[in-house]
Amino acid sequence: EDQVTQSPEALRLQEGESSSLNCSYTVSGLRGLFWYRQDPGKGPEFLFTLYSAGEEKEKERLKATLTKKESFLHITAPKPEDSATYLCAVHTRGASTSGTYKYIFGTGTRLKVLA
Amino acid sequence: DAGITQSPRYKITETGRQVTLMCHQTWSHSYMFWYRQDLGHGLRLIYYSAAADITDKGEVPDGYVVSRSKTENFPLTLESATRSQTSVYFCASSEGRGVNEQFFGPGTRLTVL
Repeated sequence: EDQVTQSPEALRLQEGESSSLNCSYTVSGLRGLFWYRQDPGKGPEFLFTLYSAGEEKEKERLKATLTKKESFLHITAPKPEDSATYLCAVHTRGASTSGTYKYIFGTGTRLKVLA
Repeated sequence: DAGITQSPRYKITETGRQVTLMCHQTWSHSYMFWYRQDLGHGLRLIYYSAAADITDKGEVPDGYVVSRSKTENFPLTLESATRSQTSVYFCASSEGRGVNEQFFGPGTRLTVL
């Protein structure tokens, strides 16, 4: 069964304290792995797409990496404005139980950065 | 303004009533999606559409109906609402075929009493 698991569920950091969020996946054929940021009361906002193992993407204080089993979102010297829930999603080649499009989200990591 | 909008933003209804959630996008994206977000489950795909008049089921389609007569609109109807359909609903869109990121609307918080 295709599955996406994110850890930790919640993370509290001091401003400037770097850390990493994990997204592990077991899917039948990965087409792409996505990272999104979600602020309270809002829809997810796209951050990165990774397509193959070894790929890395960077944006400001965020860096996403991908292996054959997991992805990491590294946050360097975070600021309070980085506080949000970070979601990982995979687009797989497999079909869902009902349709043909399979896009699976993890449950997210709630990040709180303290000033 | 360009983007993706949802209406209403908040809705309270009663068990058994029909409810329609609206979604409109101005990018002319071919793909559109409906998700529900519940604590402990994350976002789950309800239905999606690859183009006008083409729709297909996602992971949790039971109790929902969709239509897409125009590229820019993708309404979601709960034909007979149940309490288990209390959730936050997100509409999203993405460009054509291929592995593309999705752009999400602001969500509709639905409560079924």
